[in-house]
Amino acid sequence: EAGVAQSPRYKIIEKRQSVAFWCNPISGHATLYWYQQILGQGPKLLIQFQNNGVVDDSQLPKDRFSAERLKGVDSTLKIQPAKLEDSAVYLCASSHRASGRVEQYFGPGTRLTVT
Amino acid sequence: AQSVTQPDIHITVSEGASLELRCNYSYGATPYLFWYVQSPGQGLQLLLKYFSGDTLVQGIKGFEAEFKRSQSSFNLRKPSVHWSDAAEYFCAVAPGYSSASKIIFGSGTRLSIRP
Repeated sequence: EAGVAQSPRYKIIEKRQSVAFWCNPISGHATLYWYQQILGQGPKLLIQFQNNGVVDDSQLPKDRFSAERLKGVDSTLKIQPAKLEDSAVYLCASSHRASGRVEQYFGPGTRLTVT
Repeated sequence: AQSVTQPDIHITVSEGASLELRCNYSYGATPYLFWYVQSPGQGLQLLLKYFSGDTLVQGIKGFEAEFKRSQSSFNLRKPSVHWSDAAEYFCAVAPGYSSASKIIFGSGTRLSIRP
């Protein structure tokens, strides 16, 4: 079974530029999550999708961050414009909640550096 | 609100020695509990999980964890560590009462192995 795929793995941009990250979850997983992991901290949930609907985006900075999952499969997270404090690893995860299994499976992450 | 505390930021143990990583949670009922491991530059990998039943759970890579309701703890243990166990370890909790529940991660414990 293929795992969660993310791209790019690394990205360096200047502040005020825009950037987009892509995630393809495990096949059949209806729930998709985006996390932000700042160096030295645990992952923090940004947004959760159930199929193509948003379940929780309470911690997403909506003035600059946006995410979509149009067909209920892969997802894109965008930052526009980026700030220095957005430097972090962005992790995508998926789970098969329809089966009652809540454990999440993570992709390798995208390391973003904003200069 | 639910929370997770990992009191040890960094632990160093000798190869072959036993290991215990501490995790305390705050939640009114019995939550779903997880331990994840993150190697440098990698995403998070699920080591083990507790939902209900036997309070001693076995995971991958020789790890186990014990749920103690009276102490609100879910400590991770391994009888003999290997150099490849050097990584960041995250304890996590989820209410599990609905499909919209989200996982809250602790801040992590970095494990170093002394040759």
